[in-house]
Amino acid sequence: QKEVEQDPGPLSVPEGAIVSLNCTYSNSAFQYFMWYRQYSRKGPELLMYTYSSGNKEDGRFTAQVDKSSKYISLFIRDSQPSDSATYLCAPAGTSYGKLTFGQGTILTVHP
Amino acid sequence: GAVVSQHPSWVICKSGTSVKIECRSLDFQATTMFWYRQFPKQSLMLMATSNEGSKATYEQGVEKDKFLINHASLTLSTLTVTSAHPEDSSFYICSVPTSYSNQPQHFGDGTRLSIL
Repeated sequence: QKEVEQDPGPLSVPEGAIVSLNCTYSNSAFQYFMWYRQYSRKGPELLMYTYSSGNKEDGRFTAQVDKSSKYISLFIRDSQPSDSATYLCAPAGTSYGKLTFGQGTILTVHP
Repeated sequence: GAVVSQHPSWVICKSGTSVKIECRSLDFQATTMFWYRQFPKQSLMLMATSNEGSKATYEQGVEKDKFLINHASLTLSTLTVTSAHPEDSSFYICSVPTSYSNQPQHFGDGTRLSIL
């Protein structure tokens, strides 16, 4: 079993749709939960991060963590074509330590 | 603006060549940096942890004699792929933890390495 599982997709949605991206993890020591966005041929860009369980909202993005079920989610409201990218979840034991990435979900938002 | 600078962004070279990739922390003094490798349509896999002034820590299965890491200053870590072969062709990315607590890492833009 991989330490972090993420459906690779691809996921294709129309512009304006609500997108739900999810990961599961197995390591109970994970306390920090990051979501990165990666455009083709670029390094990952930090989108959201949360500590422990709960919700965090930033503009059109909402991150949710349920530590009891080891399930993390990222929601994108009013999706735009510019949101087309690969989304990577990365839980970690510390915010500054090494990261274990999910496989990444390829998202395409079409006009 | 960018907090991590990685150079070169793309390199093509012949098999047997050694290639050096630089990772610079622009805003933070980094005692630790991380090197990842990403194959097409796959996720990032941690290769090694670069430690300023001491030896790097390599992940299981990564050849330390093949991937030489030097972290001679608080702003620069280098990864040298020695005697590169086509199977070493990949996307190499470095990351830098910030100096602030509870703040996640920042990544460079990666280096695309193609070995002919």
